[in-house]
Amino acid sequence: DSGVTQTPKHLITATGQRVTLRCSPRSGDLSVYWYQQSLDQGLQFLIQYYNGEERAKGNILERFSAQQFPDLHSELNLSSLELGDSALYFCASSRSGDTQYFGPGTRLTVL
Amino acid sequence: SQELEQSPQSLIVQEGKNLTINCTSSKTLYGLYWYKQKYGEGLIFLMMLQKGGEEKSHEKITAKLDEKKQQSSLHITASQPSHAGIYLCGADSGSDTNAGKSTFGDGTTLTVKP
Repeated sequence: DSGVTQTPKHLITATGQRVTLRCSPRSGDLSVYWYQQSLDQGLQFLIQYYNGEERAKGNILERFSAQQFPDLHSELNLSSLELGDSALYFCASSRSGDTQYFGPGTRLTVL
Repeated sequence: SQELEQSPQSLIVQEGKNLTINCTSSKTLYGLYWYKQKYGEGLIFLMMLQKGGEEKSHEKITAKLDEKKQQSSLHITASQPSHAGIYLCGADSGSDTNAGKSTFGDGTTLTVKP
């Protein structure tokens, strides 16, 4: 158990809908990272937050947004969903940037 | 953008055998990271390498960074079924090393036959 929790584990929704994925980092970790993993694209870094502020952006679509709250949990919002957004979404947390702890992931299926 | 090529794509070894997985970058490596993933599960961060020639170990797994070749190798000694999974390398796209912002390889799937 990495200490990072993600909810929900599975999510099935329809095209055009909006969903919110939640991540709780390990106690004391200020950084949260979001990733998308699909068969087509492999693992891709989406975005990083550090202590509530956006720190780095990767291949995140404009339809996607994220935020980190004062209690350090983070949410990834995905809107106007398309079939191609079906993927595993991971979050990870880190204290120092040289080690990461990954959550179990949320499997999103867009029908 | 930086591209990482892993080889081999897949590997089947007999338990107890040694094996090596390579990760080659199209650009200079500032930070190189190795991860392991069981199919459909979360990733496990194995280790981070930053300096040319640096070598680190995690249990029976050793990784080395060859900066001149823009390559890293991951070596498993006396493989066990618990080593089976997908090994991914990640690398920073710039000198601001931060494991989280990595570009990733496509992974090497390791099967260990008992």
